[in-house]
Amino acid sequence: AQKVTQAQTEISVVEKEDVTLDCVYETRDTTYYLFWYKQPPSGELVFLIRRNSFDEQNEISGRYSWNFQKSTSSFNFTITASQVVDSAVYFCALSELPFRNTPLVFGKGTRLSVIA
Amino acid sequence: GAVVSQHPSRVICKSGTSVKIECRSLDFQATTMFWYRQFPKQSLMLMATSNEGSKATYEQGVEKDKFLINHASLTLSTLTVTSAHPEDSSFYICSARDPTARDRGRDGYTFGSGTRLTVV
Repeated sequence: AQKVTQAQTEISVVEKEDVTLDCVYETRDTTYYLFWYKQPPSGELVFLIRRNSFDEQNEISGRYSWNFQKSTSSFNFTITASQVVDSAVYFCALSELPFRNTPLVFGKGTRLSVIA
Repeated sequence: GAVVSQHPSRVICKSGTSVKIECRSLDFQATTMFWYRQFPKQSLMLMATSNEGSKATYEQGVEKDKFLINHASLTLSTLTVTSAHPEDSSFYICSARDPTARDRGRDGYTFGSGTRLTVV
């Protein structure tokens, strides 16, 4: 069975601080995909990144970066120089059997508040 | 990119009435659609998986007679909440599998914008 754990329920930071959102996953598959989504107050899910289990390279996209460590089953997300617009709920998700008809399994989410 | 249009975005209905939520894939064929429910300050929980032309598969604890899912075409799936009650008030969101999204920059799961259902 697959499981995604986001231990941080809520985080508050002051604008311009760096913040890391933790994600730990469990799966018996050797091939899987990991995702991060942002959910602003309006509710829609904004796709941020997809990473497959064979690609352990860290990724940077602007102020966002992701650290994938298979050894610890973690896929952490860092926002550098946070801004008020980053305030949202962030979900980490896992998909086994990529590109087959399996749904995403979501963590419980981390609510990030960035204070001006 | 792939788009899933979900309607309505918000609906308020009286207890005991039924509500239909539609999800349409606009530029791809969605053979599989997932329906999630999200209660306030909680995560997205999978309700059911629907495949075009066949019966939906419901997750444990989800009443299939209450949440009717129809996926009659490759571009349309509907969720009907029958005899809605206040405890059904929630955010419902669909997600279509996009089998063409194999490149790194896409997630392969295109989400609708969600429907906020309030039952009064």
